[in-house]
Amino acid sequence: DVKVTQSSRYLVKRTGEKVFLECVQDMDHENMFWYRQDPGLGLRLIYFSYDVKMKEKGDIPEGYSVSREKKERFSLILESASTNQTSMYLCASSWDQEGGSPLHFGNGTRLTVT
Amino acid sequence: GNSVTQMEGPVTLSEEAFLTINCTYTATGYPSLFWYVQYPGEGLQLLLKATKADDKGSNKGFEATYRKETTSFHLEKGSVQVSDSAVYFCARSGGSYIPTFGRGTSLIVHP
Repeated sequence: DVKVTQSSRYLVKRTGEKVFLECVQDMDHENMFWYRQDPGLGLRLIYFSYDVKMKEKGDIPEGYSVSREKKERFSLILESASTNQTSMYLCASSWDQEGGSPLHFGNGTRLTVT
Repeated sequence: GNSVTQMEGPVTLSEEAFLTINCTYTATGYPSLFWYVQYPGEGLQLLLKATKADDKGSNKGFEATYRKETTSFHLEKGSVQVSDSAVYFCARSGGSYIPTFGRGTSLIVHP
């Protein structure tokens, strides 16, 4: 089974801090994704990556950046955390380039910014 | 662009009731269709998928049929259990590897 591991389940940070959310997958998947999940809004795509060192903006990239230095690891960075970034963050990976394979998700990181 | 519309919840049922959660998608291209389930405190996991018209995906008693003529992929289960209480997401992809998700439907099953 594919395993997608997010480094923290719960995180509490202060406004203005730089925050790193880490995600590692163990199945050599090409594609990796970061979503945030908020009540009533479903899943919103922040950034995705289809290869090492490649990244593309999703629907809501403002206030975030990402890093993919190795194929298995995809990091989400909040440059200066704000209270409106309090959310559940989900990392996912998939292997194909044509959209037929499903996403595999981590268990999420619930981030609170105070 | 691509979109997925699913019925709003919560859907509240008694144990052993019949479940339908409606999902429709935009017909651009030839998408694959998915249902994901999210149990409390967890990430999403694939429940079932269908890759072409008239395919039926099934898993754990859940079924959904890819209906091209109605651009629908409704999720059904004949007899729900309390353990089925979760949030269900319909999604499409294809043409691009970036999937499009519906907003999710919360299911609450009472004993």
